[in-house]
Amino acid sequence: DAKTTQPTSMDCAEGRAANLPCNHSTISGNEYVYWYRQIHSQGPQYIIHGLKNNETNEMASLIITEDRKSSTLILPHATLRDTAVYYCIVSATDSWGKFQFGAGTQVVVTP
Amino acid sequence: NAGVMQNPRHLVRRRGQEARLRCSPMKGHSHVYWYRQLPEEGLKFMVYLQKENIIDESGMPKERFSAEFPKEGPSILRIQQVVRGDSAAYFCASSFGLAVTGELFFGEGSRLTVL
Repeated sequence: DAKTTQPTSMDCAEGRAANLPCNHSTISGNEYVYWYRQIHSQGPQYIIHGLKNNETNEMASLIITEDRKSSTLILPHATLRDTAVYYCIVSATDSWGKFQFGAGTQVVVTP
Repeated sequence: NAGVMQNPRHLVRRRGQEARLRCSPMKGHSHVYWYRQLPEEGLKFMVYLQKENIIDESGMPKERFSAEFPKEGPSILRIQQVVRGDSAAYFCASSFGLAVTGELFFGEGSRLTVL
C-alpha cells in the first residue's frame, strides 16, 4: 500500500528552482516525511526530513502543510547533477529504516 | 571516512548457484538494512539487522534467502539456488542508531545477474 503519491516525472531548467510535490493524506501523527534521491544506478542519497515544521539544509528545503497531508521539496537552484529519481517517504520512528520507496518522481534538469 | 562498502559490485550466477553479497557499514554503525531493487522498480525493504541479531526480516522471501551480521566482519546476504527472478540490484544501508539524524547511508549496490 503506497503511503505517498508523487508525479511520475517533471522537467526543470538549470538554475531554476525545482518544486517536487508529495501527497501523504493518510500520514499518522508520529510519522516523519523523508526525501531521498537516486541518481542513475547509484545508491539512494538522503536529502532532508521533517515532522511538521519546515526544514532547510544545504541541499534543499522541505515545506509541510499545516494539516501534514502534503509536502513540497524545493531544490533552490537546480543543476544538471540534480537529475535523479526523488522519493518521498513517510515513516514512524519505530519502523525507521524500513522505508517504503514508491516509484518516485523522475526529475530531469535541462540546460 | 569510508562510506558503506558493498562487494561484489557485479555478480553473475547461473540458475541453481549461490550468491553471497557483502556489506561493510560505515565506521561506528551497528545497524544494517538490505533492500532489493528489481529492474524498473523502486527499492523494497528486505531485512534489518544489528550486530549478531536479525531485528526485522519481514521483507525477506521465506525460502532461499538469508542474512547475517556477525560480531566481526561484514553483513552477508545469501541467496541459495538462484533463479532468474533474483536478478536485481541489492543495496545495503547503515545507520548509527534509530532515527538519530534521519539519514540512512546507502552503498552503491551489488548487481546480481542470473543467467
